[in-house]
Amino acid sequence: DAGVIQSPRHEVTEMGQEVTLRCKPISGHDYLFWYRQTMMRGLELLIYFNNNVPIDDSGMPEDRFSAKMPNASFSTLKIQPSEPRDSAVYFCASSLFYSEGADTEAFFGQGTRLTVV
Amino acid sequence: DAKTTQPPSMDCAEGRAANLPCNHSTISGNEYVYWYRQIHSQGPQYIIHGLKNNETNEMASLIITEDRKSSTLILPHATLRDTAVYYCIVRVARPDKLIFGTGTRLQVFP
Repeated sequence: DAGVIQSPRHEVTEMGQEVTLRCKPISGHDYLFWYRQTMMRGLELLIYFNNNVPIDDSGMPEDRFSAKMPNASFSTLKIQPSEPRDSAVYFCASSLFYSEGADTEAFFGQGTRLTVV
Repeated sequence: DAKTTQPPSMDCAEGRAANLPCNHSTISGNEYVYWYRQIHSQGPQYIIHGLKNNETNEMASLIITEDRKSSTLILPHATLRDTAVYYCIVRVARPDKLIFGTGTRLQVFP
């Protein structure tokens, strides 16, 4: 498996524009996580899915952010409209269902560096 | 969620063992301790995890105290490529999310 694949790797957009980040999890993984990383706030969990269903979106900062997982192999994180303070690195991760003794570590993608000017 | 406390930074000479401490005094009986690291600009990378016994893999060793209130990650022979931020995380059984703290920035010097 090629691991978690995110696209694009870099995105520069103007304030007010819509931005869509994409993630392909590892095949067979049940969980998908979206994180945001900034110098000020570190790694923040935005939302996560289990079997394509959003479980906890309490980390999504505002209504401008939305995430979907239409099937087990694809997820999107959308920001509309984007603002300069959304500039960050966005990571996607996937893992198997947690159970005692199982190999349930999360695997992270390389991230998307978003710059909103 | 159980919280962890780590020193913000540590230095280690290349070739020496790096011992990274973590306090998790409120850990519950069924919660695991996970360690991840993040090398500059890359996504976090899993290192090791454990429940109560000491664990070792090809990357590191994890020593958990008997009362499980603290643990130490050991990199037996640190190299320059081990320079990274190391995160100690207590994994909540339900739900299964990983919450990252501020971590320890390990600098390995020649």
